[in-house]
Amino acid sequence: EIVMTQSPDTLSVSPGERATLSCRASQSVSSNLGSYSNLAWYQQKPGQAPRLLIYGASTRATGIPARFSGSGSGTEFTLTISSLQSEDFAVYYCQQYKNWPPYTFGQGTKLEIK
Amino acid sequence: QVQLVESGGGVVQPGTSLRLSCAASGFTFSSHGMHWVRQAPGKGLEWVAFVSLDGSDKDYADSVKGRFTISRDNSKNMLYMQMNSLRADDTAVYYCVRGVAAVSGDWFDPWGQGTLVTVSS
Repeated sequence: EIVMTQSPDTLSVSPGERATLSCRASQSVSSNLGSYSNLAWYQQKPGQAPRLLIYGASTRATGIPARFSGSGSGTEFTLTISSLQSEDFAVYYCQQYKNWPPYTFGQGTKLEIK
Repeated sequence: QVQLVESGGGVVQPGTSLRLSCAASGFTFSSHGMHWVRQAPGKGLEWVAFVSLDGSDKDYADSVKGRFTISRDNSKNMLYMQMNSLRADDTAVYYCVRGVAAVSGDWFDPWGQGTLVTVSS
């Protein structure tokens, strides 16, 4: 089973500033050639279902603002929110879909207002 | 638009059974693998089960294997989860999720609004 670990658990950032969230996999989730990474990011607001933000480590889902960007390969991944808006304060999860079952998620990073 | 609507949650006693349903609309249901993902109160996300396009292949998390059964009815655009021998640690919001296929596996999009299952005596 691939274990996904996110850091930090909680991140306090002021509106308008940049937020950087990290996700580490216990083994590589990239293709053998390294050209594709089987890594997705989700956003969850209180009382709501998760929403897909990023897939393939760096491709934004439909309707996701350009201030959200994903990067990384192998075992180290980053979600960056370039200029935080009030609606961005939420919990963020990474998920691997390279080796399954099981599909695995990180424990989540809570992004809170500083 | 793509929509997933779960139903069937509720409060049940340990050792009993419950059947969750998910009504899908706005997309070709038979073209997607489907999943259940759960979230215990105040906790993170846990993948529970997968069913393939035609229902022939199924996979489960170890925590539910042998107790839960996922199924689908493509003629009705419905996904199901039969949950038997329920335990307190099965208490969670259960989400119906569409799989979007990559080469290796699925990412999840969209998610239903969830249905709460509470197992308590």
